[in-house]
Amino acid sequence: GQNIDQPTEMTATEGAIVQINCTYQTSGFNGLFWYQQHAGEAPTFLSYNVLDGLEEKGRFSSFLSRSKGYSYLLLKELQMKDSASYLCAVLDSNYQLIWGAGTKLIIKP
Amino acid sequence: GAVVSQHPSWVICKSGTSVKIECRSLDFQATTMFWYRQFPKQSLMLMATSNEGSKATYEQGVEKDKFLINHASLTLSTLTVTSAHPEDSSFYICSARSGKDYNEQFFGPGTRLTVL
Repeated sequence: GQNIDQPTEMTATEGAIVQINCTYQTSGFNGLFWYQQHAGEAPTFLSYNVLDGLEEKGRFSSFLSRSKGYSYLLLKELQMKDSASYLCAVLDSNYQLIWGAGTKLIIKP
Repeated sequence: GAVVSQHPSWVICKSGTSVKIECRSLDFQATTMFWYRQFPKQSLMLMATSNEGSKATYEQGVEKDKFLINHASLTLSTLTVTSAHPEDSSFYICSARSGKDYNEQFFGPGTRLTVL
């Protein structure tokens, strides 16, 4: 079966750095997405990785290792507005998004 | 970036009535649209995938006679929740994918449905 695992909840301090991990087992792989979702809102796109390595975009970076079935989202200089759920999703061989359950990130002052 | 709209953004209806939700791609042609449902504190659950001009493909456990999907044009898909019940109350989100880039889906803002 297809499976995506990420921690349910994480807590971090404003100004700090946090890494959210995601491991996956899917039928085929056409890329991995990270989305941010604030409560009551639709997901917004953060990053897309299809090749191994680190993609940096401002305060957010995303890493992928296809051989390990592993990705992480790194958030630097945390701000209170970063409190949200972070969803990991894999595009499988049918170009269908398989979603993780999301990681709720709580930022404390 | 590409914009997807949904209407209405929230709706309250009585049990037994039907509710129609519209999903529009505003600045691109969406060859494929996806309908998701999200219950509180849970992740997105794909309900169905629809390609313009053809019947939707429903995920296992989703009743196609209850959740009617119409993808009549390249910019519009509708989801009709028929004979709604309180357990259908949820956050419904559509997303759209253009024919050009298979890798990216653009999400609508979502519709919060409350069935009394």
